Amino acid sequence: DADVTQTPRNRITKTGKRIMLECSQTKGHDRMYWYRQDPGLGLRLIYYSFDVKDINKGEISDGYSVSRQAQAKFSLSLESAIPNQTALYFCATSDPNRDPFFGPGTRLTVL
Amino acid sequence: AQSVTQPDIHITVSEGASLELRCNYSYGATPYLFWYVQSPGQGLQLLLKYFSGDTLVQGIKGFEAEFKRSQSSFNLRKPSVHWSDAAEYFCAVGDGSGNTGKLIFGQGTTLQVKP
Repeated sequence: DADVTQTPRNRITKTGKRIMLECSQTKGHDRMYWYRQDPGLGLRLIYYSFDVKDINKGEISDGYSVSRQAQAKFSLSLESAIPNQTALYFCATSDPNRDPFFGPGTRLTVL
Repeated sequence: AQSVTQPDIHITVSEGASLELRCNYSYGATPYLFWYVQSPGQGLQLLLKYFSGDTLVQGIKGFEAEFKRSQSSFNLRKPSVHWSDAAEYFCAVGDGSGNTGKLIFGQGTTLQVKP
């Protein structure tokens, strides 16, 4: 079984729609992260969470929100999707002094 | 502010040739440095990391990297490239607090391997 699972793996949606990307992990890590990858820009941090009651904005949080439903679950929402949110989205987990571990990614296309 | 620069967007090497991918970082304290590889359609796989100690670190798949504080560099090397090494490579720096999942990534270098 995968340590970090992201659903869906691919999604096509329309401008203005609300969409949720989900991440779940079995690594037992407390810390979870959402990144987006754009060609030529590498990965950029959207939000991160140190535990269930802790949510922090990353570099590019505008247009996104998150929910940490449990230690193992961290969801990313686009309240009203726009085309420039088309990207590859990665969930990651870590603990202090442990290597960050990335999920397989979700490819989102906003038409 | 922290930053990572990978000067080479695209590199082509012949199979069997040596490889060096450049990474320069800007960080005020001792950085946590990582190299990740992303094969086409795949997620990110950690190749190697540097936290402290020996400045030459060995990773998986025959890769190594050398931390040079004086040059703010963490270049990735491989003595003999295989066709399966064709992928995108990312250098990343983490803050020194131990929160190693909060990373700043470079723009990535795409490696093409010629037969």
